[in-house]
Amino acid sequence: DSGVTQTPKHLITATGQRVTLRCSPRSGDLSVYWYQQSLDQGLQFLIQYYNGEERAKGNILERFSAQQFPDLHSELNLSSLELGDSALYFCASTPGRRDNEQFFGPGTRLTVL
Amino acid sequence: AQKITQTQPGMFVQEKEAVTLDCTYDTSDPSYGLFWYKQPSSGEMIFLIYQGSYDQQNATEGRYSLNFQKARKSANLVISASQLGDSAMYFCAMRSGGGFKTIFGAGTRLFVKA
Repeated sequence: DSGVTQTPKHLITATGQRVTLRCSPRSGDLSVYWYQQSLDQGLQFLIQYYNGEERAKGNILERFSAQQFPDLHSELNLSSLELGDSALYFCASTPGRRDNEQFFGPGTRLTVL
Repeated sequence: AQKITQTQPGMFVQEKEAVTLDCTYDTSDPSYGLFWYKQPSSGEMIFLIYQGSYDQQNATEGRYSLNFQKARKSANLVISASQLGDSAMYFCAMRSGGGFKTIFGAGTRLFVKA
């Protein structure tokens, strides 16, 4: 158990809908990272937050947004969902802004029908 | 352009033998970091090992070592004394320059045979 929690574990929804994925980092970790793992795109970095502020942006679509709250938990919002958004979404956390070892949560499997 | 290439989609190894998983990278930044992650069938991602571009020695973590050949731009993972529990997907990744983005290779699926 990495200490990073993600909810929900599974999510099934329809095209055009909006969902929110939640991540709680390890106690004391200030950075949260979001990743998408899909069959066709592989593992992709989406976005990083450090202590509430956006630090880095990867291949995140405009339909997606994220934020990190004062209690350091983070939410990834996915809107106008398409079939291709079906994937495993991981959250990871680290103590600082640029640590080498990232601790991953168990992931949220999103299925868009 | 930054790129990570893992050319082995799947590998088989006999239990207790060593295995090398290949990874080549491309970046024009002189400062970068290379990572290996393991993803068992249960799905979680587990950090294994890290090598910085300026590190003089190859990184080692228990049975894992990283064979870093800077001139060849390769960062192969060596697993010694393979165990059945090593059967998993392995990803090579890179973070370069002063950035925070990490890019991943396509992965290599390792099967350990009893």
